[in-house]
Amino acid sequence: GAVVSQHPSRVICKSGTSVKIECRSLDFQATTMFWYRQFPKQSLMLMATSNEGSKATYEQGVEKDKFLINHASLTLSTLTVTSAHPEDSSFYICSARVGVGAVGQPQHFGDGTRLSIL
Amino acid sequence: SQQGEEDPQALSIQEGENATMNCSYKTSINNLQWYRQNSGRGLVHLILIRSNEREKHSGRLRVTLDTSKKSSSLLITASRAADTASYFCATAETSGSRLTFGEGTQLTVNP
Repeated sequence: GAVVSQHPSRVICKSGTSVKIECRSLDFQATTMFWYRQFPKQSLMLMATSNEGSKATYEQGVEKDKFLINHASLTLSTLTVTSAHPEDSSFYICSARVGVGAVGQPQHFGDGTRLSIL
Repeated sequence: SQQGEEDPQALSIQEGENATMNCSYKTSINNLQWYRQNSGRGLVHLILIRSNEREKHSGRLRVTLDTSKKSSSLLITASRAADTASYFCATAETSGSRLTFGEGTQLTVNP
């Protein structure tokens, strides 16, 4: 149980393109999803917390207009990298947590999206 | 910001040996979690230990938590080549819902 599906797994596109990444909880409802960014051989950096039906909460230094997050249903959150540039190339990972205010519950991760901007 | 510091950064052992990884953190926590990440993949949850617990076991995994020292350790016994991965600790603070990840330990188990 608690499977999170993330698509696409890999994107290669030209500079200036906008890229949408989907994160779906397949067998549970996720009121909260998280978006992380990970550079090679480094840890995960939380970008934003996505709450169903409300605006996402962005971490300091993360551009809201650059990284658009939509959490329109209890099973789907999307991250759109707008007008992507080479410096946006990275590994993006989403996660979802079961339950409301479930601080004591693990997060379930998607398999990540490798974004390469040429 | 990342509050967790893990050591060692990299660990290379032979199959069958035990592997111990340590994690330190700075703030009060509700719980601490360990995750595993295979290269190029997402994270897999291994074990969660609450702040009022001192030790927890799951199969070949043993996690300890010392809140007075703000540290935790993950022990993998009788390691296998398939255990090769990066291991991250993550803390959930008493107030708030986010996880803060450590820098990770890259474990290599040689067959």
